[in-house]
Amino acid sequence: EADIYQTPRYLVIGTGKKITLECSQTMGHDKMYWYQQDPGMELHLIHYSYGVNSTEKGDLSSESTVSRIRTEHFPLTLESARPSHTSQYLCASSDSGGENIQYFGAGTRLSVL
Amino acid sequence: AQRVTQPEKLLSVFKGAPVELKCNYSYSGSPELFWYVQYSRQRLQLLLRHISRESIKGFTADLNKGETSFHLKKPFAQEEDSAMYYCALSGNQAGTALIFGKGTTLSVSS
Repeated sequence: EADIYQTPRYLVIGTGKKITLECSQTMGHDKMYWYQQDPGMELHLIHYSYGVNSTEKGDLSSESTVSRIRTEHFPLTLESARPSHTSQYLCASSDSGGENIQYFGAGTRLSVL
Repeated sequence: AQRVTQPEKLLSVFKGAPVELKCNYSYSGSPELFWYVQYSRQRLQLLLRHISRESIKGFTADLNKGETSFHLKKPFAQEEDSAMYYCALSGNQAGTALIFGKGTTLSVSS
């Protein structure tokens, strides 16, 4: 079934650890996005990719990095997690056609102690 | 600056009452406007967009370019409408990232 998957759903980790949040989609979409959302606040774009080997930073500055080696996979990495990284991270994808509809994963809720 | 403003953090209504969730935007150009909804324990999903001009689950939204608004309306609220609603805009190119408002929690009680 075509979908967008994020793992893990919840992650509690200590300061200084390296973490990777996984995002995969089986929808055949070219474009993928990472948003960050603090509780009760709006979603902010932190990274996006319009295709393989293409990545850009979004509007909100983030210490995370992303890669896009395969069309379906768009992982986000934090080299050294800090409490300020505690947030929810949402992955989304869309196709390159006329419909500008983004499909979201279930999100990863990250807590850095 | 590109911005989406949802002035109400929480809107509480009784079942059967009319609902209007406000959304105003700031964008230089012709944006696409969307309403996304997140029900409890579900993922964020598209509710409707201004281009399609359709009614979804009884909700409609009309783009008013003069007032730069895209308010979401429903004549008779149902309890299952209780959710978090986000207004969002994007540039008019397909695949452009979304700019979200802060969201409005709609609570419908009987």
